[in-house]
Amino acid sequence: RKEVEQDPGPFNVPEGATVAFNCTYSNSASQSFFWYRQDCRKEPKLLMSVYSSGNEDGRFTAQLNRASQYISLLIRDSKLSDSATYLCVVTSGNTPLVFGKGTRLSVIA
Amino acid sequence: SQTIHQWPATLVQPVGSPLSLECTVEGTSNPNLYWYRQAAGRGLQLLFYSVGIGQISSEVPQNLSASRPQDRQFILSSKKLLLSDSGFYLCAWSVGTNQPQHFGDGTRLSIL
Repeated sequence: RKEVEQDPGPFNVPEGATVAFNCTYSNSASQSFFWYRQDCRKEPKLLMSVYSSGNEDGRFTAQLNRASQYISLLIRDSKLSDSATYLCVVTSGNTPLVFGKGTRLSVIA
Repeated sequence: SQTIHQWPATLVQPVGSPLSLECTVEGTSNPNLYWYRQAAGRGLQLLFYSVGIGQISSEVPQNLSASRPQDRQFILSSKKLLLSDSGFYLCAWSVGTNQPQHFGDGTRLSIL
C-alpha cells in the first residue's frame, strides 16, 4: 500500500460548485498533515495545515479522520483560480514529508 | 521574513555534461533543506535532504549528489547527466522535519 494515496482526477466542476478531495495514508503514527496547491509548471505552495479538530480558511475546510486514516479538503464556491493540482502531505517521526501525487481540479466557467 | 532562491530557472544541457544547481535560504538559521525532482505529469520525488552542514541523506541512488557547504546553501550536482535526469528540480526548506516545507521557484532541466 502506498504511503499516501489520492484520486488523480481530474475533477471538472462548474464555478460556484463545492468539491471535496480525500487522501488516505498508511502510517498510523503520522503526526502532521498538510494540503499544498501546485499550479501548472510552478512550485508547490502550502495551502493549509490540517488539525485534529478540523480547520477552515475562507472557502477551504480541512478535516482529519485518524480512525480511518484519511484527510479531506473541501472547497466551497469554486473559482476559476482554484484550478490546480492539490497535494496531500503527511509526516511522521523523523522522516521527511511524504507528498501524494496530487488531485487535479479544473473549475469551468 | 524567510526567502529561498534557486537558480537557474531553466537549463538545457547535453548528455554527459556536468550539472550544478544552487539553492540558498535567507532569514532563518539551521533549516532543513531538500532537493526534489518532478518528471512531467508526475509526483514529487525526494532526492536528498539535509538537517545540518555536511549532513546529507540520499533517498534515491542515482548519478546525482548533494552538498551543503554552508548552513543555508544546498547544491545539487552531477558529473555526467543522463537523458533520464530531465525534469523539474525543486529546492525546499523547513524549520523542522515535521514542519511545512517551502519551495523555491524550481529549475526546469532538459537533457538533449
